[in-house]
Amino acid sequence: GAGVSQSPSNKVTEKGKDVELRCDPISGHTALYWYRQSLGQGLEFLIYFQGNSAPDKSGLPSDRFSAERTGGSVSTLTIQRTQQEDSAVYLCASSFTTGTGSPLHFGNGTRLTVT
Amino acid sequence: GESVGLHLPTLSVQEGDNSIINCAYSNSASDYFIWYKQESGKGPQFIIDIRSNMDKRQGQRVTVLLNKTVKHLSLQIAATQPGDSAVYFCAENTGGFKTIFGAGTRLFVKA
Repeated sequence: GAGVSQSPSNKVTEKGKDVELRCDPISGHTALYWYRQSLGQGLEFLIYFQGNSAPDKSGLPSDRFSAERTGGSVSTLTIQRTQQEDSAVYLCASSFTTGTGSPLHFGNGTRLTVT
Repeated sequence: GESVGLHLPTLSVQEGDNSIINCAYSNSASDYFIWYKQESGKGPQFIIDIRSNMDKRQGQRVTVLLNKTVKHLSLQIAATQPGDSAVYFCAENTGGFKTIFGAGTRLFVKA
């Protein structure tokens, strides 16, 4: 089957505009994650979904960031009033379950550039 | 948000040699460890994992070693090839949903 799919692959936006990033997880994976990766940096955890609920939103950097997941499948990450510091690669991952023995499977990310 | 981003350490090896990439993890309660490979323009790709009740696990050309006493993890790549050039991340999990990633090591393979 297909891997994790993210769209768009690249997004350039003007400061102050809103953006929506989409993630299609692997079919059957109940857990979905969003991470952010700045240039030359490690991966910063943003949010996790189990089914449609998000038990942990503590990684979201500000209230301009929100995410939802519908039907236990597709997720969208929305950034409102984008700022230049939001420029990064946004990675989505899914896993069959959580914890031991269930590695994350990543998409290729959306590279966001805020001008 | 939680981040472990730092300047990337770099390892340069000759094609055909063995590579050893090291990682120090932070949480003594972590019980699951994973190595990922990230090529330019792509997301991290799962390589191999190990549970805390083991100290060694082998895959195809890769071996992961776990030393819980000093909270150290290593990835050994045998007969390194140009296609192994990438950034390698170790990751730890305490059995819950959150996987914490290390800073990453860039591997250069010289032909």
